[in-house]
Amino acid sequence: DQQVKQNSPSLSVQEGRISILNCDYTNSMFDYFLWYKKYPAEGPTFLISISSIKDKNEDGRFTVFLNKSAKHLSLHIVPSQPGDSAVYFCAASGSQGNLIFGKGTKLSVKP
Amino acid sequence: KAGVTQTPRYLIKTRGQQVTLSCSPISGHRSVSWYQQTPGQGLQFLFEYFSETQRNKGNFPGRFSGRQFSNSRSEMNVSTLELGDSALYLCASSLEFGQGGSSPLHFGNGTRLTVT
Repeated sequence: DQQVKQNSPSLSVQEGRISILNCDYTNSMFDYFLWYKKYPAEGPTFLISISSIKDKNEDGRFTVFLNKSAKHLSLHIVPSQPGDSAVYFCAASGSQGNLIFGKGTKLSVKP
Repeated sequence: KAGVTQTPRYLIKTRGQQVTLSCSPISGHRSVSWYQQTPGQGLQFLFEYFSETQRNKGNFPGRFSGRQFSNSRSEMNVSTLELGDSALYLCASSLEFGQGGSSPLHFGNGTRLTVT
């Protein structure tokens, strides 16, 4: 059973527009949510995180929104740039400390 | 500051053999975690080491083991390799134990293991 789900395997966006990546989770005990970005042949890179007690966290072009009642979080990238093209992983941290990852969404930003 | 270093980058082994992968964390990071990435399953947690002790373990068979040395460097071992062990093995380090938002993981570029 997948505790963290990214239902869109891919997303294509025009340069300059907003990219919205979505993630759903099932376990209400998760205390932190994180987003990682991965380029081919590289390891994932930490992007942004949010505590379960908050509903929004912003860092430059990246904003993460958390809707606890819907068990849903989203990552907004504004404006999207071609260099943002990568696979984005949503992850959740629970009481045992390990991260549980979604299967990723491949974002393509077209010039 | 140097990032997480994993060696080797690529490895080809045959079924039944065993393999050891190595990871050097970011200087000052005391926690090392290992993940397996496959196309079908995504990133799955193997184990986490902190201060030379395994603090947490994922749902993998006993053929997968690891250890951490006093300088925080870590090794992962897989014995009696199976075809399904072919994957990208990622090591990650963090300042402290636990991988929440207050101490996010920093990943290496991984070791690509192919079992034939």
